[in-house]
Amino acid sequence: GAVVSQHPSRVICKSGTSVKIECRSLDFQATTMFWYRQFPKKSLMLMATSNEGSKATYEQGVEKDKFLINHASLTLSTLTVTSAHPEDSSFYICSAKAPRGYTDTQYFGPGTRLTVL
Amino acid sequence: GNSVTQMEGPVTLSEEAFLTINCTYTATGYPSLFWYVQYPGEGLQLLLKATKADDKGSNKGFEATYRKETTSFHLEKGSVQVSDSAVYFCALAITGGGNKLTFGTGTQLKVEL
Repeated sequence: GAVVSQHPSRVICKSGTSVKIECRSLDFQATTMFWYRQFPKKSLMLMATSNEGSKATYEQGVEKDKFLINHASLTLSTLTVTSAHPEDSSFYICSAKAPRGYTDTQYFGPGTRLTVL
Repeated sequence: GNSVTQMEGPVTLSEEAFLTINCTYTATGYPSLFWYVQYPGEGLQLLLKATKADDKGSNKGFEATYRKETTSFHLEKGSVQVSDSAVYFCALAITGGGNKLTFGTGTQLKVEL
């Protein structure tokens, strides 16, 4: 089946530093990837839609300058949390949309736990 | 706007018990409905889905029926196993909405021997 990986699985950083999270589709090409944020005991909140070769589309209330998204290839999207602060601590999850003609299913990565000290 | 409401967990059951996890939704358009499952340490996996009213999605003994009149998509399984212990998320996506998913808060299921 389709597999999506994320790296790192956990990261701890100091306040003011930037952190990059990678999302890869391992056995299929994904023209569209999604980035979510999950707070404890809360639902997944869509942050942005990442399209290969174009600018990401951010959801209302998500700071595009804070959460930089790059989708440089059909198998890789990155999320960079810039100048991280403790309130950015969260669980970040990516998903990749299956190719057109196959299914509308999204395949999810295992998530990245970010802790900002 | 769109929203999904799930029953709060955790739900604790004995093996072979009957499972129901309630899910209701509000949507501005015509939604497809999904159940995703997240096993410990893994990413969300699609469990089942239904794309139109009265459709029944089923997989691995789980099933859910798209009820437009009650705006519900309750998840059921007749006999749960310890291996079903996971977090279950109900979600919707609006047709033509770019595959954007709106999730419920998730319900943790614990199945004990």
